[in-house]
Amino acid sequence: EAGVTQSPTHLIKTRGQQVTLRCSPISGHTSVYWYQQALGLGLQFLLWYDEGEERNRGNFPPRFSGRQFPNYSSELNVNALELEDSALYLCASSFVGEQFFGPGTRLTVL
Amino acid sequence: AQRVTQPEKLLSVFKGAPVELKCNYSYSGSPELFWYVQYSRQRLQLLLRHISRESIKGFTADLNKGETSFHLKKPFAQEEDSAMYYCASNSGGYQKVTFGIGTKLQVIP
Repeated sequence: EAGVTQSPTHLIKTRGQQVTLRCSPISGHTSVYWYQQALGLGLQFLLWYDEGEERNRGNFPPRFSGRQFPNYSSELNVNALELEDSALYLCASSFVGEQFFGPGTRLTVL
Repeated sequence: AQRVTQPEKLLSVFKGAPVELKCNYSYSGSPELFWYVQYSRQRLQLLLRHISRESIKGFTADLNKGETSFHLKKPFAQEEDSAMYYCASNSGGYQKVTFGIGTKLQVIP
């Protein structure tokens, strides 16, 4: 069974630009979660989508947004990039219970 | 707000020595607690959760509500245990999990 996939693997952007990260959940999973893993800060919860709706979000500004498509895949959008947005962005999916994580997208903002 | 504290960023032990990775949580209710592990070049994965009360790869963790702790223990460390370990807490299901900053366990041969 294929696991959670994320694209791209790496991304380099400059300050002020916009970025879109993508996540495909495990087949049958309806929930998608996004986390930011910045150096020295651990994993910070960003967003939770379930059945196409945003169900919860963490303490991040509105320039972090996303959506979930009918096939349950998801996008994370970050507008007006700042240097401190440089991090590993992890996506996880679940049906009911345990979250399964993807490999992450490494975003570098210069 | 929930808070999960892992006081040690790095823990080095010799092979065969006991391991204890510390975790304290701040939620005052009845949280669900988890340990996740990330081996080198692998994905983050669930190691164990307190409600299952099981031992995975020789690791156990007991929830101590009095001390608000959920320390991860193993009596005899193996080299393959070297990894990043994250403690996590959820106040209501899996929907919004709060992670600690992680502890890197290094098992010295």
